[in-house]
Amino acid sequence: GAGVSQSPSNKVTEKGKDVELRCDPISGHTALYWYRQSLGQGLEFLIYFQGNSAPDKSGLPSDRFSAERTGGSVSTLTIQRTQQEDSAVYLCASSLVGGRRTYEQYFGPGTRLTVT
Amino acid sequence: GENVEQHPSTLSVQEGDSAVIKCTYSDSASNYFPWYKQELGKGPQLIIDIRSNVGEKKDQRIAVTLNKTAKHFSLHITETQPEDSAVYFCAASDNTNAGKSTFGDGTTLTVKP
Repeated sequence: GAGVSQSPSNKVTEKGKDVELRCDPISGHTALYWYRQSLGQGLEFLIYFQGNSAPDKSGLPSDRFSAERTGGSVSTLTIQRTQQEDSAVYLCASSLVGGRRTYEQYFGPGTRLTVT
Repeated sequence: GENVEQHPSTLSVQEGDSAVIKCTYSDSASNYFPWYKQELGKGPQLIIDIRSNVGEKKDQRIAVTLNKTAKHFSLHITETQPEDSAVYFCAASDNTNAGKSTFGDGTTLTVKP
């Protein structure tokens, strides 16, 4: 079946502009996660959704970052007034909650964001 | 919160040799420990995982061991092949947080032909 998809695959934006990154999870997956990966670094947790609610936003680095999820499916991560330090690969993952495969996270290919 | 440490950061082996990557975690509530392989330009891919009620799990050339008392778990790759070259990440998560995972910093594995 189809995996997690993300768009755009690459985004170059000027400092100060807003960007929206999109994630389409695997159909039926109730949990959705956003991570940030800087060049050569590990994965930094940003936020996760259970259905449409976000019980844990603890990883969002500042109030310029926000995310929403509608219909228990597609999620959008928005970065306002982008800064150069926001440049990274933004990864989305989804997983089932419940059953034998609980919490196995399946990642999308990521969106590479470059802020100039 | 959870803290995961991963070692080594880089590992170079000869084709056919074994590779071992080790991780430690801090939160005793963690009960799910996945390993991911990330190739250049791609998202991480789950390769094997282990849950806290199991001490060892094997899938062909890949095995993972877990010591809950010592809070550490390891990935073992036997008979390494050049296509095993990638960055490997360990992670730890618990049921109380819908599987939110804390990742190690990654190990860059290079298998030399």
